[in-house]
Amino acid sequence: QLQLQESGPGLVKPSETLSLTCTVSGGSISSSSYYWGWIRQPPGKGLEWIGSIYYSGSTYYNPSLKSRVTISVDTSKNQFSLKLSSVTAADTAVYYCASLLVVPAAILDYWGQGTLVTVSS
Amino acid sequence: DIVMTQSPLSLPVTPGEPASISCRSSQSLLHSDGNNRLDWYLQKSGQSPQLLIYLGSSRASGVPDRFSGSGSGTDFTLKISRVEAEDVGVYYCMQALQTPRTFGPGTKVDIK
Repeated sequence: QLQLQESGPGLVKPSETLSLTCTVSGGSISSSSYYWGWIRQPPGKGLEWIGSIYYSGSTYYNPSLKSRVTISVDTSKNQFSLKLSSVTAADTAVYYCASLLVVPAAILDYWGQGTLVTVSS
Repeated sequence: DIVMTQSPLSLPVTPGEPASISCRSSQSLLHSDGNNRLDWYLQKSGQSPQLLIYLGSSRASGVPDRFSGSGSGTDFTLKISRVEAEDVGVYYCMQALQTPRTFGPGTKVDIK
């Protein structure tokens, strides 16, 4: 079964760019069976969809974040990444990466453990 | 965006008793293929969410059969036939019909 692991700085300064990587094991990120996604959860709050990417590079972003978000895939490393620019305190959250099984309906079947990113000077 | 609501937001339960959570969407989640694009997730304390139900009523692999999902269009229900202590946590519904996917606010289930 798939395993996903987020990595990246736990502290980012306001106005800077948040960068996270998700390493996939137990399967190939180039598989046509999966999309790859990012979801975040501010402390004590609910879940927010950030976006997703297919191995081909096709991306889907939340319009509320679209101007600041870039998701990319590195098939050679079996990783996909999230960049969120011009961060503020409102971007403080646990960031999860997840796999979306295309069939039957792009379900979020595996999640990483999540990584807390705090935006503070 | 499709707005998701849940009720109740807090649900104290007694082990062995049934429990039910309602989820409503601001638009129909019925896809042209006849399936409802509604998933249920459970987030236990300190853990990432785990998939329970997809397409409104299909149990994910390994999910006990005491969990069931029903509903269509804009109204959905998650039922636990007999609650066990390990079922505590926050339950989220999520629409998977449109991007961006949107989640309900969550229902916190704990033991009375």
